[in-house]
Amino acid sequence: SQQGEEDPQALSIQEGENATMNCSYKTSINNLQWYRQNSGRGLVHLILIRSNEREKHSGRLRVTLDTSKKSSSLLITASRAADTASYFCATDEANYGQNFVFGPGTRLSVLP
Amino acid sequence: DARVTQTPRDKVTEMGQEVTMRCQPILGHNTVFWYRQTMMQGLELLAYFRNRAPLDDSGMPKDRFSAEMPDATLATLKIQPSEPRDSAVYFCASGLGTATEAFFGQGTRLTVV
Repeated sequence: SQQGEEDPQALSIQEGENATMNCSYKTSINNLQWYRQNSGRGLVHLILIRSNEREKHSGRLRVTLDTSKKSSSLLITASRAADTASYFCATDEANYGQNFVFGPGTRLSVLP
Repeated sequence: DARVTQTPRDKVTEMGQEVTMRCQPILGHNTVFWYRQTMMQGLELLAYFRNRAPLDDSGMPKDRFSAEMPDATLATLKIQPSEPRDSAVYFCASGLGTATEAFFGQGTRLTVV
C-alpha cells in the first residue's frame, strides 16, 4: 500500500498564481521528499524535509511538515508554464518497512 | 555530469519472452531502487538494494521477476516469462541511502504484446 497520498489529484492554475499540493502519510517517518516528473521522464528531486524540521525553502518552493497531522504541503509561488508536471511525495519510514514509497501524485497544469 | 543510465529505453516483446532491463547507478551510490509506473497503479516500489544486498523486494512478483546487482556498477531486473500486464515504465534510481535524494534514470518503457 502507498505510504504517501497527494491531493489534489489534479490542479490547474494560471501563470503567476501559487500552487499548493498536500501529502498525507500513515506512519512515523525519518524524512519526506518531494519530486517532480515531467511527462514520460524520470523523477527529479525537489526538496527533502526531515522529521525534526517544520519548514524548508528552495527558490520558489516552500515545504512544510506537520508530524502531528502526518502531512506535508508543497507551495510553488509565482508559477510558470514550465512548472507543469506531476509532483510526488515520498516518505522514508522511521521503522524499517516500506522505504521510499511514493504516492499517486498531483498533476499540475500551469496555463499561460 | 553523473547520471543513472538505464537500457534499453524502449522494449517491445512478445508474451512469454524473457526481458532484462539494466541500470548503471551513479558511481559511489550504495542504494539502488527499482520502480514500476503505470497509469492505474502509479509508482510501485519493486526492489531496494543497499551495498548490493536486497533489503526489500516485497513489491515484486516473485514468480516471474528477479532483481540482482552482479556488481556495484550494474543492477538488473528480469521478467521471465513476460505478460501483457507487465507493460509499464520501469525506473531505476540510486542514492546514498533513503535519508538523501534519489537520482532517477530515464526509464525503460516495456510493452508486452
